[in-house]
Amino acid sequence: DVKVTQSSRYLVKRTGEKVFLECVQDMDHENMFWYRQDPGLGLRLIYFSYDVKMKEKGDIPEGYSVSREKKERFSLILESASTNQTSMYLCASSPASSSYNSPLHFGNGTRLTVT
Amino acid sequence: AQRVTQPEKLLSVFKGAPVELKCNYSYSGSPELFWYVQYSRQRLQLLLRHISRESIKGFTADLNKGETSFHLKKPFAQEEDSAMYYCALGRGTALIFGKGTTLSVSS
Repeated sequence: DVKVTQSSRYLVKRTGEKVFLECVQDMDHENMFWYRQDPGLGLRLIYFSYDVKMKEKGDIPEGYSVSREKKERFSLILESASTNQTSMYLCASSPASSSYNSPLHFGNGTRLTVT
Repeated sequence: AQRVTQPEKLLSVFKGAPVELKCNYSYSGSPELFWYVQYSRQRLQLLLRHISRESIKGFTADLNKGETSFHLKKPFAQEEDSAMYYCALGRGTALIFGKGTTLSVSS
């Protein structure tokens, strides 16, 4: 069974801090994703990566960056946290496929509060 | 632009009643569509995908290209079906999600 592990379940940070959210998957998946989940807005894609050191912007990349130095680990970085980045952050992974979209496997989420 | 619309924020039904969660999409090519479910205090998980044409936990969803819809249906709701449901559309490597519908099943 695929396991996607997010290192923190809850985080509280101050405005202006640099914040790192970590995600590790154990199934050798090529693709990894970061979404944020907000009530009434659903899931919105921040960034994704289809290979080590490769990244693509999603729909709401502003204020975020990512790092993928190893295949199993995908980090989301908030360069200077702001209160509007208070949210639930979901990491997901999927295997590569040339012919169809693979289902995503999600972590438990990190609830970030920026004060 | 690709888009997924779930018009209902909340759907409340009684146990044993039929359920239909609506999903409409906008996509120019051949769409790949999914339903994901999130039960209370659990991670988001795949419920079903249109290419599998399967029934999971009594739920089915049929792709209607003419109406650009992928509605999720179940003939008899159970209390354990209460959850948040998201419709998702494949876009390149990633999925884009609708805003979600909360299904509440009461006795």
